[in-house]
Amino acid sequence: SQQGEEDPQALSIQEGENATMNCSYKTSINNLQWYRQNSGRGLVHLILIRSNEREKHSGRLRVTLDTSKKSSSLLITASRAADTASYFCATRPTGGGNKLTFGTGTQLKVEL
Amino acid sequence: DADVTQTPRNRITKTGKRIMLECSQTKGHDRMYWYRQDPGLGLRLIYYSFDVKDINKGEISDGYSVSRQAQAKFSLSLESAIPNQTALYFCATSAPRLAGSADTQYFGPGTRLTVL
Repeated sequence: SQQGEEDPQALSIQEGENATMNCSYKTSINNLQWYRQNSGRGLVHLILIRSNEREKHSGRLRVTLDTSKKSSSLLITASRAADTASYFCATRPTGGGNKLTFGTGTQLKVEL
Repeated sequence: DADVTQTPRNRITKTGKRIMLECSQTKGHDRMYWYRQDPGLGLRLIYYSFDVKDINKGEISDGYSVSRQAQAKFSLSLESAIPNQTALYFCATSAPRLAGSADTQYFGPGTRLTVL
């Protein structure tokens, strides 16, 4: 079963707008990661947030983590057409070794 | 990521055939994974290996087998392919002991497998 569920499943915005994607998970985690996948390509790691962190930034990316609600959000600011891709959250459960469990993904389309 | 390569990139086969998908990496990572991706289901873990002598089943290992021939090579086999194994297959690597790498996984470009 999936550990992470992303919301929304699909998102369409205009270039320059901000895009927010949410991830909910079921069990306690060691860390949560976000990955990006361009159509038909391999996933690329974007950012990792540990369970004792609440917010993290990397360039135009901002990730928050609320362990009490078992949820995370990924914000992409000032989106560009090149940000069009699918975005997946992945959780490393506490005591789960180095296995990641991926969510079902959010398809983001940024239109010119 | 060119450091993780998969062959073949595309494969069409028939029901009942034996298929092997290969993964090689030049990253020097000790951990390797095989995932399958289906529309709407995200990625699901098939098998993983933490070193050459360590092989573990993932979430959906039935119908699959793996071989870790060397630290750099991890192969996935479908002994008798069936149509519902049609999917996109990804290999990934990680090296949590490397400073700064944490649990980050590095993915190959994928193999698109179609079973008729």
